[in-house]
Amino acid sequence: GQNIDQPTEMTATEGAIVQINCTYQTSGFNGLFWYQQHAGEAPTFLSYNVLDGLEEKGRFSSFLSRSKGYSYLLLKELQMKDSASYLCAVRDVNEADSWGKLQFGAGTQVVVTP
Amino acid sequence: EPEVTQTPSHQVTQMGQEVILRCVPISNHLYFYWYRQILGQKVEFLVSFYNNEISEKSEIFDDQFSVERPDGSNFTLKIRSTKLEDSAMYFCASSEARTSGGANTDTQYFGPGTRLTVL
Repeated sequence: GQNIDQPTEMTATEGAIVQINCTYQTSGFNGLFWYQQHAGEAPTFLSYNVLDGLEEKGRFSSFLSRSKGYSYLLLKELQMKDSASYLCAVRDVNEADSWGKLQFGAGTQVVVTP
Repeated sequence: EPEVTQTPSHQVTQMGQEVILRCVPISNHLYFYWYRQILGQKVEFLVSFYNNEISEKSEIFDDQFSVERPDGSNFTLKIRSTKLEDSAMYFCASSEARTSGGANTDTQYFGPGTRLTVL
């Protein structure tokens, strides 16, 4: 099974930077994903890490440390439209022939204020 | 940009009735998935499907659930006898089964969801 922990809510002002942490405990691991989810909508893919280090994609960056079971999503130059829930998900591969399924954390609600 | 589509967007049904939720995955994708999200809770994996058979399923996916790819484009989730606790948003996802150097580098893309309300 998986434990995937992330803070429930974070608040930041427009133009600022916010870092959302995610820790995980897994029996199998084959990548960590970040998705954005606006209320009542589908999760939208943001980033993916399978090796240690930082992946940068425009205003969003994601970091992974496999030895620490830790990832973060960094949102820079926050905009009002970034107000959403950010979901940390681990690809769980726990059988030899398994392609893997996503196990999600509960999500971090980011509130961007003017 | 290709998208996963789902119909209907909202389904209301009586307890004990059968429902079929429909999805059209992205056309060149090979893996298909169903997830659900009960209001205020996390997204939960139900089932994955590859090469016309179930690849993996969770404990939630019991005998009341089934999946089918009836033709070359649709992927369906059937709940035979709905319960109140089946009320949730159901998301279909698909992925192209991408690998790099033998490693799984696949990414799942989600549809807009079907909100199922069981009364």
